[in-house]
Amino acid sequence: ILNVEQSPQSLHVQEGDSTNFTCSFPSSNFYALHWYRWETAKSPEALFVMTLNGDEKKKGRISATLNTKEGYSYLYIKGSQPEDSATYLCAFWMDSSYKLIFGSGTRLLVRP
Amino acid sequence: ETGVTQSPTHLIKTRGQQVTLRCSSQSGHNTVSWYQQALGQGPQFIFQYYREEENGRGNFPPRFSGLQFPNYSSELNVNALELDDSALYLCASSLGQAPGAEAFFGQGTRLTVV
Repeated sequence: ILNVEQSPQSLHVQEGDSTNFTCSFPSSNFYALHWYRWETAKSPEALFVMTLNGDEKKKGRISATLNTKEGYSYLYIKGSQPEDSATYLCAFWMDSSYKLIFGSGTRLLVRP
Repeated sequence: ETGVTQSPTHLIKTRGQQVTLRCSSQSGHNTVSWYQQALGQGPQFIFQYYREEENGRGNFPPRFSGLQFPNYSSELNVNALELDDSALYLCASSLGQAPGAEAFFGQGTRLTVV
């Protein structure tokens, strides 16, 4: 059974704090790692798709890194804002399986 | 908004009934995947359709079936509904099947089986 683990499960921070989450995945047969942000009552929205070991991607205050050899990815949010409150999902694509294997997500709440 | 629309948004069915959920993919996207999200879990892959053919399936029984139409819209059918089928069902469209292809999700259909 392939598992994608995300930690922490939930996180409460104050506005302005920086935070980071972890996604762990099997290190063999890696093809891609996706990060999504999912706000309540909306669709999951793609943040990053990462395919190369050592990849670093950035979108505004959010950035992500990828280590395929040890099987983890970090998502960082700098200076969290209340609008960053959402569930952050990572998903692993293994070899030619045609499917994304999702973690259970990290629920972030940013207090004003 | 992603351009992926799902209908209906909410549905209540009785155990043993059949249900059809619908998904309109983003314009130009030829690949649709379906996911089931039970409470407290991440989305679980059900199957994927590429150019009207199923080309990948997760660990779901045959009573979960689907279709993709020439316009790339898709249906998920579930027969003989069970209480455990209560979940949020998400569809996602993408351009091609490549692992690096970004998936665009709909808002989901919340199915309740009573």
